[in-house]
Amino acid sequence: EAGVTQFPSHSVIEKGQTVTLRCDPISGHDNLYWYRRVMGKEIKFLLHFVKESKQDESGMPNNRFLAERTGGTYSTLKVQPAELEDSGVYFCASSQEGYTEAFFGQGTRLTVV
Amino acid sequence: KQEVTQIPAALSVPEGENLVLNCSFTDSAIYNLQWFRQDPGKGLTSLLLIQSSQREQTSGRLNASLDKSSGRSTLYIAASQPGDSATYLCAVRPMDSSYKLIFGSGTRLLVRP
Repeated sequence: EAGVTQFPSHSVIEKGQTVTLRCDPISGHDNLYWYRRVMGKEIKFLLHFVKESKQDESGMPNNRFLAERTGGTYSTLKVQPAELEDSGVYFCASSQEGYTEAFFGQGTRLTVV
Repeated sequence: KQEVTQIPAALSVPEGENLVLNCSFTDSAIYNLQWFRQDPGKGLTSLLLIQSSQREQTSGRLNASLDKSSGRSTLYIAASQPGDSATYLCAVRPMDSSYKLIFGSGTRLLVRP
């Protein structure tokens, strides 16, 4: 069974450009989460989907970040326009129920120059 | 506000030693606690999930304990091997509606041959 898949694995973009990250959760997992780690800090929660609905987006830093989950399957996280402080590693995770074991993808390393 | 602390930040041990990694959290109202390992440049691999009603969980050479009332968890690694070298992260799932994980900053473990 495939795990959580994220792509691209790396992205280098210029300040002001747009980047879209994609996450494919484990099949059958209704719960999908985005997290990120910026330089030297802990991994921080961004938002939580249950199927196609946003359950909690309290961790989204500002309105330059837009997450969607089409049809309750894969999810995208768009950053527009990207700023230098957006650089970091963006992780996606999925779980069967909200309180059950979370499985993480390998992350997307985003560098904004 | 829930905070998670991991001590020590880094640990170096000779192969074969038994070792303990510590995790503390400030609010005992949690659903569960999850331990992960992260290899350099890789994603997070789930090691153990302990429900709030449980005292410990075991998987192979790993044993995780949970003392919810005192806000502490330990990860015990028996007979350490160089392949155990990685960063170990603990994360708690607070008992609120979001099911998000709150991460510690991790312990970087090096097992010397």
